[in-house]
Amino acid sequence: GESVGLHLPTLSVQEGDNSIINCAYSNSASDYFIWYKQESGKGPQFIIDIRSNMDKRQGQRVTVLLNKTVKHLSLQIAATQPGDSAVYFCAEKYPGANSKLTFGKGITLSVRP
Amino acid sequence: ETGVTQSPTHLIKTRGQQVTLRCSSQSGHNTVSWYQQALGQGPQFIFQYYREEENGRGNFPPRFSGLQFPNYSSELNVNALELDDSALYLCASSYGFNSPLHFGNGTRLTVT
Repeated sequence: GESVGLHLPTLSVQEGDNSIINCAYSNSASDYFIWYKQESGKGPQFIIDIRSNMDKRQGQRVTVLLNKTVKHLSLQIAATQPGDSAVYFCAEKYPGANSKLTFGKGITLSVRP
Repeated sequence: ETGVTQSPTHLIKTRGQQVTLRCSSQSGHNTVSWYQQALGQGPQFIFQYYREEENGRGNFPPRFSGLQFPNYSSELNVNALELDDSALYLCASSYGFNSPLHFGNGTRLTVT
């Protein structure tokens, strides 16, 4: 069936290091992908998105890479800070789904001081 | 710019009861979606509203229903509550279907 999954449940990084969070998606028809950050007690916060006609997109301290050949999405966070500690979700949307996003289970990023 | 706001923040109900959750969309947004997030899981799509009509539904039974009002605010109604309905209910808004969803902080519903 259709699913969006994350390879690892938790990721621990040293403050100042770069973080890479990976995500696999199974629906090859998906054409839009989003990364969200969710802190405890809050709703998902938009980080960055990418459409299927792109391979890479950069934001402030974040980069999203899309590899459609292997259906893989990654989020890179440069110079990870304690405030980056949260659960990260990737989500996909396929054509005709309007605003429906399919989320994975999430990965917890823990930043060590 | 006002973000997505939801009320109440927490709610406790008894099995079999009915509940109404409310959402105010972000200013300028005309599409609202509702998601259910169980503990430790990603959000699951319930349904979406556009121009006051349901415009897409996930795998949820008819006892989950909603409304969107002319000012783009929205309600989620759940009838005949079950224990498994305990979850965080998230409202998200966007402008149209091709822009990012912006989420509120959710309503934590506990069914006992």
